[in-house]
Amino acid sequence: DAKTTQPPSMDCAEGRAANLPCNHSTISGNEYVYWYRQIHSQGPQYIIHGLKNNETNEMASLIITEDRKSSTLILPHATLRDTAVYYCIVRLNNNDMRFGAGTRLTVKP
Amino acid sequence: NAGVTQTPKFRILKIGQSMTLQCTQDMNHNYMYWYRQDPGMGLKLIYYSVGAGITDKGEVPNGYNVSRSTTEDFPLRLELAAPSQTSVYFCASSRGTPGGLFFGEGSRLTVL
Repeated sequence: DAKTTQPPSMDCAEGRAANLPCNHSTISGNEYVYWYRQIHSQGPQYIIHGLKNNETNEMASLIITEDRKSSTLILPHATLRDTAVYYCIVRLNNNDMRFGAGTRLTVKP
Repeated sequence: NAGVTQTPKFRILKIGQSMTLQCTQDMNHNYMYWYRQDPGMGLKLIYYSVGAGITDKGEVPNGYNVSRSTTEDFPLRLELAAPSQTSVYFCASSRGTPGGLFFGEGSRLTVL
């Protein structure tokens, strides 16, 4: 499975879009990109996943570059409740699903 | 639907004691997972299962055992508890690929 690289931390102003980058330059053609977040000490929450096309749901948008070597999770109007650690995971299948260090997003008033 | 339910939510064990963390899901998911998260650290995969009767080791399986006799249940057994097993344990389930993992609320275990 491809290795992912995320910045350790980011800040975002409340009400603005939060754009969280993820680098996965060794991704193979049939590996999916998944995003999760963990708010404080709660269980992680699934956000979105994609293969090649951009995806959008009620929580966020996922933009995957044409070469699939990187992606961006977009929270269109960040709120204080979006403060969390965000994990980008690249996986061929759901076996052995491991989490990295993620990006700690702080939304500031 | 209850989703993924973990019991107990909190437990204190003495060194050398054994216990089982229970996890059950009502989503008919084939895949189930156990993770641990130490204070201030990331999640580490202990064991996972891709279906009833099938289990596999993750990153940190030592000191733990699992079984998967039904689709719904995936208990995690701690034998001879050690202080190093003090952690928050999360159970998760997934329908398979592609698909997100859905987590329980966690079980906070302290070994003294």
